[in-house]
Amino acid sequence: DSGVTQTPKHLITATGQRVTLRCSPRSGDLSVYWYQQSLDQGLQFLIQYYNGEERAKGNILERFSAQQFPDLHSELNLSSLELGDSALYFCASSVGGGSNYGYTFGSGTRLTVV
Amino acid sequence: DAKTTQPNSMESNEEEPVHLPCNHSTISGTDYIHWYRQLPSQGPEYVIHGLTSNVNNRMASLAIAEDRKSSTLILHRATLRDAAVYYCILRDNFNKFYFGSGTKLNVKP
Repeated sequence: DSGVTQTPKHLITATGQRVTLRCSPRSGDLSVYWYQQSLDQGLQFLIQYYNGEERAKGNILERFSAQQFPDLHSELNLSSLELGDSALYFCASSVGGGSNYGYTFGSGTRLTVV
Repeated sequence: DAKTTQPNSMESNEEEPVHLPCNHSTISGTDYIHWYRQLPSQGPEYVIHGLTSNVNNRMASLAIAEDRKSSTLILHRATLRDAAVYYCILRDNFNKFYFGSGTKLNVKP
């Protein structure tokens, strides 16, 4: 157990639907990162939050949004889902938000869009 | 944007050292070099990171070239449990993340 908790572990939904993925960071970590991993794209950084505020943005689609709550857990919302959104979604956390911090990944949520 | 390049795959014998290379010729002075590995069906796992000097921890060593345009992750004695995809990552002060394609390490018994 890495200390980063992601729920649900698996999710199957239909095209056009909306889902919410949840991440609880490791205790004491203020920064949360979201990644998408699909077979043909590898690991893609989506977005980072630090202590409730957006810190960095990567290749996140406009149909996707995220937020970090006061208790530091984060949610990634995916809407108008397409078949190509099927992927593993990982959350990671770190103590700080800067580049000198290693980060801890959760075990991921596998999203299947049918 | 700074990028990294890694060999697609490497093979090693168990109990032998493994040197995993990474090229990052456009690295900037403030980019940290991070290494992570991903075992099948698991999330990536932190291995090591550094800025300029070589770094050692219980898992591995990181050797950084003097010009910082390349680095090498060293596993001193490969075990079967080290078989994974190893990612070389640059992190800059603005928190943009540049993933390499990863090296799939196969460890033979």
